Formats: sequence, structure tokens, C-alpha cells
Amino acid sequence: EIQLVESGGGVVQSGGSLRLSCAASGFTFDDYAMHWVRQAPGKGLEWVSLISGDGGTTYYADSVEGRFTISRDNSKNSLYLQMGSLRTEDTALYYCTKDTRFFDWTYFDSWGQGTLVTVSS
Amino acid sequence: QSALTQPASVSGSPGQSITISCTGTSSDVGAYKFVSWYQQHPGKAPKLLIYDVTNRPSGVSDRFSGSKSGNTASLTISGLQAEDEADYYCGSYRNTDTPGVFGTGTKVTVL
Repeated sequence: EIQLVESGGGVVQSGGSLRLSCAASGFTFDDYAMHWVRQAPGKGLEWVSLISGDGGTTYYADSVEGRFTISRDNSKNSLYLQMGSLRTEDTALYYCTKDTRFFDWTYFDSWGQGTLVTVSS
Repeated sequence: QSALTQPASVSGSPGQSITISCTGTSSDVGAYKFVSWYQQHPGKAPKLLIYDVTNRPSGVSDRFSGSKSGNTASLTISGLQAEDEADYYCGSYRNTDTPGVFGTGTKVTVL
């Protein structure tokens, strides 16, 4: 059974930093691209970032480009999101999701339960 | 990075069929097979419902079906049930500076 377990969320002041983690199990982690997707309270899904299976290719949404960094440690089956220069509009539930191919966006067949990030002013 | 366009809400009575549209462009929905749909109940993570425009993952009811015409994809729910009341999102691969995009989301209400 595939499991994705996020951690690292919390309350942080505007301008601060936070590092999210996602522990993956139940599949060959380095065979698949991984994404972070967020959902602000009462709002829709927003794609944040993608990383290829080998970590060599990354993409970011314009809203986080230059402030967030996605990475992965395939030896630990873990995905990360380093978040900096946080803004109140970054407040959201952050989901770790698994793609179905090594590289690029196809669709998300597994989702974690999310970790909540709250940015206070 | 504009989102795909979905109606904000759709409603129907038990047993009826409803259709949710997802309108994109020739750079995403209109050009690729990587259109997917997700169901999200309140307080829960999204769940994959449809992939590659028309395919259902194992375990998803055949009351859910997907289609596409031009730049618009659609999700049809047949035999509407109370448990179908949820938010629904489409997603698509996109050949622009970002690799993909979600729809704006549709709230389905069972009357």
C-alpha cells in the first residue's frame, strides 16, 4: 500500500522559513516524479512544484518561484519543500503527491493527508 | 498560469445525471490526453477519479465517466447519490512554462 506522510507544518511569521517533509513508502520512490500541491482555507487546489525521479529537473509555480525549493533524498524515500520569504497568502494545507511517470505531469494517483502551514502577519 | 475553468457549482437530485465541464486551451486540455479528475470530500485529501480523459482507476464506480471535446473536458456522474456530494477538480498537462494546471473546482450538491 502506498503511503505519503507529510510533516513540518506550523505557524510562522511573515518573512520566515519552514521546511516540509514527506515520507513515502509502498512503491519504488525514485521511479516517479513527485509534486507539492497546496490548498488555502476554503479555496481550490494549487499546484506548487514538481521534481523528477532523479531530482535533476524541477518546476515551480510563478507564485513561489525564487522563494521555495523542492528536493528529494531517494536513499531515504523522502520529499522536501524548503519555504522562504513566507507571505500570508502562503497559508494553506500542503499535500505531497505522487505522479505516474519519472518526469513531467501526468496525474496524481496518491496523496498524503497534508500538513498545515499558517503564516501570520 | 491561469487555472482551467469549471462551474462553481452543479446540483442534481438522487438518481439524476450531472456533467461538470473543464475548459482550457489548445496548450493543455485540447492538446493532450493527460486530463484527470479528482474528488474531494470535506476535510479529506483529493482522490483520483478519472485519468487520461476517460479511464477509471480500480475501485472507482462506473457511475463516473470522462470525455473531451476540443478544449473542454467533462466529468459525468450518473445515478447521483448522496455520497457524491463533494468538490471536484480537473487537472491537465500543459506545454507552457509550468508543466500542468488544476481547474477552479466545482461543488456538487445532491438535492
